Order: sequence, then C-alpha cells, then structure tokens
Amino acid sequence: EAQVTQNPRYLITVTGKKLTVTCSQNMNHEYMSWYRQDPGLGLRQIYYSMNVEVTDKGDVPEGYKVSRKEKRNFPLILESPSPNQTSLYFCASSKPGVLYNEQFFGPGTRLTVL
Amino acid sequence: QKEVEQDPGPLSVPEGAIVSLNCTYSNSAFQYFMWYRQYSRKGPELLMYTYSSGNKEDGRFTAQVDKSSKYISLFIRDSQPSDSATYLCAMIRNTGGFKTIFGAGTRLFVKA
Repeated sequence: EAQVTQNPRYLITVTGKKLTVTCSQNMNHEYMSWYRQDPGLGLRQIYYSMNVEVTDKGDVPEGYKVSRKEKRNFPLILESPSPNQTSLYFCASSKPGVLYNEQFFGPGTRLTVL
Repeated sequence: QKEVEQDPGPLSVPEGAIVSLNCTYSNSAFQYFMWYRQYSRKGPELLMYTYSSGNKEDGRFTAQVDKSSKYISLFIRDSQPSDSATYLCAMIRNTGGFKTIFGAGTRLFVKA
C-alpha cells in the first residue's frame, strides 16, 4: 500500500530534550515536506526537500532541523524543544513536475512539550 | 496580513445544499492552487488542483480560480453528511523555492 508513515504518532516530552520524528514514504517521491498545524493558523510549512541532500526552509523553520540522506526518509529533528513547538505535525511527499501540487500526507504526530 | 486568507467557519448546511468555500491571496507569485479535505484526526487529502484561471469540475466538486482578483473557490453540489470535514485551500509559489502556503481551513458540517 502506497503511504507516508510517521513515528511516533503521539509524544509528550519536556523542554530541552532532543527528539526526532521520523517520516518515510514508499512511493519513490522526490519531494518531501514537514508541516505543523495549529488552531486558527492552518498548516505551515517547516522545511521541504526537493531530493536527496537538497533541503530548504519553509515559512517557520526556526527551532527545527531536517536531513535527507535517503529518498524515502525525511526526519524532523527538534534539538531543544520548547512549549511553543507543541503542535500537530504532518509529513508529506509528492512527485516532481506538475504533481508537486498533489502531496500525500502522513497520519500526523501530536507533540506536547511541557 | 497573511498571504492566504480563509474564513475558518464553521459552516453548517443541510444535506443537498450547494456549498461555497473561498480563499483570497495577496501574492501574485502563486502558480498552483489546490483544495484539500481533512477529516478529524487524519492528514489532509487532495481534492482538486488547478494551474490557470477558470473552472475545473470533478463530480460534485468545482474549483474556480480568478487570478485577476486573487480569489479561489470550491463549490460542492448536493452536499452529503460525508462531506463534513475541514477544507483547506493551498497555493504554491515558485519564487525563492517551491513553498506551499495553506489557508487556515474552513470547517464544514452537513446536516442530514
């Protein structure tokens, strides 16, 4: 089954404790992206990657890191999480070309930073 | 001012009604326009996308783009309770990279 998977689905942590949220897709997509979703603000793009070893900042990259060493994986790293990073996070992937616009989303990771 | 504005609703309609969902945007650099549907506790899924001004129809759904007014719409005909979800408009601008900007989402309830 073609899908985007994220782990963990739920995470409660404390301020300053480094964490990684994994994202993997099995559709051989070049483009991958991370979003956070907050009430009243919709989805905001954190980082995206056009291909392996190619990443770029979205609109809200502060406090996050990403890496793209393999095509299928795009982990999101929070080196020192803070309470304002409490949010619902989505990973997405798509093919290049005109299908950039058809992004397939993972199920989401709900993160709480205390 | 946000680059993409979308009324968050909620919007409540009776079954069978025609629903109109709208977004406005401020940046002429937006090239692609999409509508996503998001059910509770799920990730968004693409409903429709378009590149140019005009209408695009797919079953009960019609997407409309007016680039001159910087305005996009999604119409749902013969709405069903299963259409109850949050609808997000999204746009891609290719200046300074391929960034996707989403509206805040409109929550729709279709009552049986």
